[in-house]
Amino acid sequence: QEQMVESGGGVVQPGRSLRLSCAASGFSFSSYAVHWVRQAPGKGLEWVAVISYDGGFKYYAFSVEGRFAISRDNSKNSLYLQMDSLRVEDTAVYFCSRGSCESTNCPMYGSWGQGTLVTVSS
Amino acid sequence: QTVVTQEPSFSVSPGGTVTLTCGLDSGSVSGINYASWYQQTPGQAPRTLIHSTSTRSSGVPDRFSGSLFGGKAALTITGAQADDESDYYCVLYMGSGPWFFGGGTKLTVL
Repeated sequence: QEQMVESGGGVVQPGRSLRLSCAASGFSFSSYAVHWVRQAPGKGLEWVAVISYDGGFKYYAFSVEGRFAISRDNSKNSLYLQMDSLRVEDTAVYFCSRGSCESTNCPMYGSWGQGTLVTVSS
Repeated sequence: QTVVTQEPSFSVSPGGTVTLTCGLDSGSVSGINYASWYQQTPGQAPRTLIHSTSTRSSGVPDRFSGSLFGGKAALTITGAQADDESDYYCVLYMGSGPWFFGGGTKLTVL
């Protein structure tokens, strides 16, 4: 059964860093692009970043470009999001979701994790 | 900045049919936008319904269907049921990397 499990969230002060992880199982992780999507409290979904199946292509939302970095380790079936220079407006639940195929133009597909909450507050 | 438009709210009677739309503030939605649809109830993770305009995700009932209509992507629910009451989000690919979600439609079944 396909599963995505996010971890690494917590409370952090503005300007500090945090690294999120997403552990995948139940499918061939190395064959698919993977996305990060977030949802601020009481708000809608916001796409954050995507990485191609082999890590060769990465794209970011304008709101996080230059501060966040997406990466993956296919040997560990894991996805990561390094978040630097965090802002109050980055407070959200962060979800990972695999793409429907290998490239970054493949939409979020299949099961989503339950998410991990990041709270940026002084 | 790309703006993806969705109806803020919609209402449907049990057993009825409803079509939710997903558009662009400037331009039309086409197949190259890979429009996809997600269902979310409060406190839960999103659930993928439709991807790439019209491909139904595994396990999704066939009363959910996706299409293009009038320059927009559309999600049609036929035979609406009480547990279809949820928030529905669309996402569009705009080329060269970024994806953009719409603001979501809150569907009420009553």
